[in-house]
Amino acid sequence: EAGVTQFPSHSVIEKGQTVTLRCDPISGHDNLYWYRRVMGKEIKFLLHFVKESKQDESGMPNNRFLAERTGGTYSTLKVQPAELEDSGVYFCASSQPNYFTDTQYFGPGTRLTVL
Amino acid sequence: SQKIEQNSEALNIQEGKTATLTCNYTNYSPAYLQWYRQDPGRGPVFLLLIRENEKEKRKERLKVTFDTTLKQSLFHITASQPADSATYLCALEMDSNYQLIWGAGTKLIIKP
Repeated sequence: EAGVTQFPSHSVIEKGQTVTLRCDPISGHDNLYWYRRVMGKEIKFLLHFVKESKQDESGMPNNRFLAERTGGTYSTLKVQPAELEDSGVYFCASSQPNYFTDTQYFGPGTRLTVL
Repeated sequence: SQKIEQNSEALNIQEGKTATLTCNYTNYSPAYLQWYRQDPGRGPVFLLLIRENEKEKRKERLKVTFDTTLKQSLFHITASQPADSATYLCALEMDSNYQLIWGAGTKLIIKP
């Protein structure tokens, strides 16, 4: 079974440009999460989808970030326009919770560098 | 707001010994506390989950304890191996909304 995949693995862009990150969750997983880790800091929650609906987007930094999950399958996270402080590693995770637990499976991350 | 503290300094352990990592939190106890392993260039990998009403959970060479009075979880790896070298992260799920609050992680180095 394929794991969570993310594309691209690295992205280097100029301040003011737009970048779109993609996440393909494990097939059949309804829950999809986006997280970010800024250099030297802990991982921070960004948002949570259940199928195509945004369940919780309380961690989104500002309105320059837009996440979508059309059809409840893959998700995209767009940053427009990118700022220097957006640099970091963006992780996606998916899960299919049951009564007992919600094990989240993480992708390898996309390293975003804004120059 | 909830803060999580993990040892920021790397932990060096001799192969075969037990490695113990600490996770402390500041506010009210989470519904669930999770431990993850992260290798360089990879995403976190789930290891163990312990619930608020549980004291201890084991899985093979791994053991997690949860003390809500001390607001602390300990993560033990027995008979440690060089392959156990990685960064270990603890994450709190405060209620059933699945949002995780993360510690910064502790780097564990197992020396042969």
